[in-house]
Amino acid sequence: GDSVTQMEGPVTLSEEAFLTINCTYTATGYPSLFWYVQYPGEGLQLLLKATKADDKGSNKGFEATYRKETTSFHLEKGSVQVSDSAVYFCALSGGSQGNLIFGKGTKLSVKP
Amino acid sequence: KAGVTQTPRYLIKTRGQQVTLSCSPISGHRSVSWYQQTPGQGLQFLFEYFSETQRNKGNFPGRFSGRQFSNSRSEMNVSTLELGDSALYLCASSAAGDYGYTFGSGTRLTVV
Repeated sequence: GDSVTQMEGPVTLSEEAFLTINCTYTATGYPSLFWYVQYPGEGLQLLLKATKADDKGSNKGFEATYRKETTSFHLEKGSVQVSDSAVYFCALSGGSQGNLIFGKGTKLSVKP
Repeated sequence: KAGVTQTPRYLIKTRGQQVTLSCSPISGHRSVSWYQQTPGQGLQFLFEYFSETQRNKGNFPGRFSGRQFSNSRSEMNVSTLELGDSALYLCASSAAGDYGYTFGSGTRLTVV
């Protein structure tokens, strides 16, 4: 079945460092890809999405490009802030299953 | 517009009891999905409802059930609670034909 694999971390960075969180997927068909963020004690917030190959999703300085040839959707940010500390989830939908399928999540801690 | 509303936010139940959780989707959204989040298993899909019909179901025992009303509000029920049912239960809604899911803040269920 469809699946998402992401680096589990935790990832600890200093403020203003460059962030990459790797995400790869396995899916039948042409899924849409997402990054969600979860702050402590809260639900999931959609960070960005891409619906077809070569699309780039971007929001709040975060970016990810839908790479069909490498089945990847890596999350990047050029300069992280303390406020970016959270758990990040890569997800897909629209493959062989209708629901969202999530990776295990990557906990990011940014130190001042 | 109002987001996805889940009630209650916190719940403590005793093993063997049953519990009902509620989710009010974004106005106009007809699809409601439920997810269970635990530290060990991550985010797991429970079921999805669309126009009062269960459209998709995850791999959970029959103790987990749900329904959707004509106003798109949804409830999920867990009977004969077990300690392992302790989790954050998240509800998400989306518009028809759109894979962009908006999540609520969740209901934190603790079974003692």
